[in-house]
Amino acid sequence: DSGVTQTPKHLITATGQRVTLRCSPRSGDLSVYWYQQSLDQGLQFLIQYYNGEERAKGNILERFSAQQFPDLHSELNLSSLELGDSALYFCASSVAGTGADTQYFGPGTRLTVL
Amino acid sequence: QKEVEQDPGPLSVPEGAIVSLNCTYSNSAFQYFMWYRQYSRKGPELLMYTYSSGNKEDGRFTAQVDKSSKYISLFIRDSQPSDSATYLCATHTGGFKTIFGAGTRLFVKA
Repeated sequence: DSGVTQTPKHLITATGQRVTLRCSPRSGDLSVYWYQQSLDQGLQFLIQYYNGEERAKGNILERFSAQQFPDLHSELNLSSLELGDSALYFCASSVAGTGADTQYFGPGTRLTVL
Repeated sequence: QKEVEQDPGPLSVPEGAIVSLNCTYSNSAFQYFMWYRQYSRKGPELLMYTYSSGNKEDGRFTAQVDKSSKYISLFIRDSQPSDSATYLCATHTGGFKTIFGAGTRLFVKA
């Protein structure tokens, strides 16, 4: 158990809908990362937050947004969902959010868009 | 061309074999190199973390980085069925964005 929690574990929804994925980092970690993992694209970095501020952006679609709250938990919002958004979404956390930090991954949320 | 290339496998070996997993990368600015292990339906977990070139050993696992050829390797000695998982290489420049390989699926047969 990494200490990173993610809810829900599974999510099934329809195209065009909007969902929110939630992540609680390990105690003491200030940085949160979001990743998308699909069979054809592998693990793709989406976005990183550090202590409430956006720090780095990866291949995140405009339909997706995220935020980190004062209590350091983070939410990833996915809107206007398409079939291709079906994937595993992982949250990771680290202490300082620098490149040399170790990232600890949560168990993931499996999103299925029908 | 992807920044990190990794053969997805699957790779199947008998118990006790030495396993060699490899990745190549294209950006010479990459300085930090990691190997993650991911069991089915779980999140990745960090196995090895190396900086720049050289070898690093931890129990049955050895990570090797050759920056001159942009090649990174993970060796698993005396492989066990419990080593069956997907192994992902990863790298970054020291900045904030980590690039992952596609992952290699490993099966160790008892």
